Amino acid sequence: KQEVTQIPAALSVPEGENLVLNCSFTDSAIYNLQWFRQDPGKGLTSLLLIQSSQREQTSGRLNASLDKSSGRSTLYIAASQPGDSATYLCAVGGATNKLIFGTGTLLAVQP
Amino acid sequence: DTAVSQTPKYLVTQMGNDKSIKCEQNLGHDTMYWYKQDSKKFLKIMFSYNNKELIINETVPNRFSPKSPDKAHLNLHINSLELGDSAVYFCASSHLTGQGNYGYTFGSGTRLTVV
Repeated sequence: KQEVTQIPAALSVPEGENLVLNCSFTDSAIYNLQWFRQDPGKGLTSLLLIQSSQREQTSGRLNASLDKSSGRSTLYIAASQPGDSATYLCAVGGATNKLIFGTGTLLAVQP
Repeated sequence: DTAVSQTPKYLVTQMGNDKSIKCEQNLGHDTMYWYKQDSKKFLKIMFSYNNKELIINETVPNRFSPKSPDKAHLNLHINSLELGDSAVYFCASSHLTGQGNYGYTFGSGTRLTVV
């Protein structure tokens, strides 16, 4: 049974700092991994999608890596801004079409 | 706008009532989903439909009944609501291929409160 864990559960950093969010999964037989952002009271916004054959994806200040064999992914945020404050969720997609979500990391970027 | 839209956004109702949540997507996706986010913010899939056919039915009480009249719509009907049903329900859609799903897009959620 696939289980997805995110560390840390919460993170507070000063503006401008680079930071890394971690995601680990127990079953390496995945098709893809996605990172989402959720703002309070809002839906989920897809940030990056990494296919199982890929090692990383980049979008602006965000870079996500995937190491399928070790069951790990990281989301790197460069030069963090207060507007980056949100909950970040990783989710893995397997042979079925459902996403298995992690527990989330609540990020607060202090101005 | 291109999106997954669900209504209502908020729903407050008494125990024992029956209620429905509606979802529509105009992304041309062939697969739609219902996810539940509990009070601890954990998201878990409930149902999935592909081209109007139910393909995922997780361990959900049979008081929950999804209906997909066409591949752009997926509704969720809940009978005999209980306090424990209080949660945020998210609709989502994607395009399903043999290599997984693409373009997963979530609606903004329906916050259901049972009193």
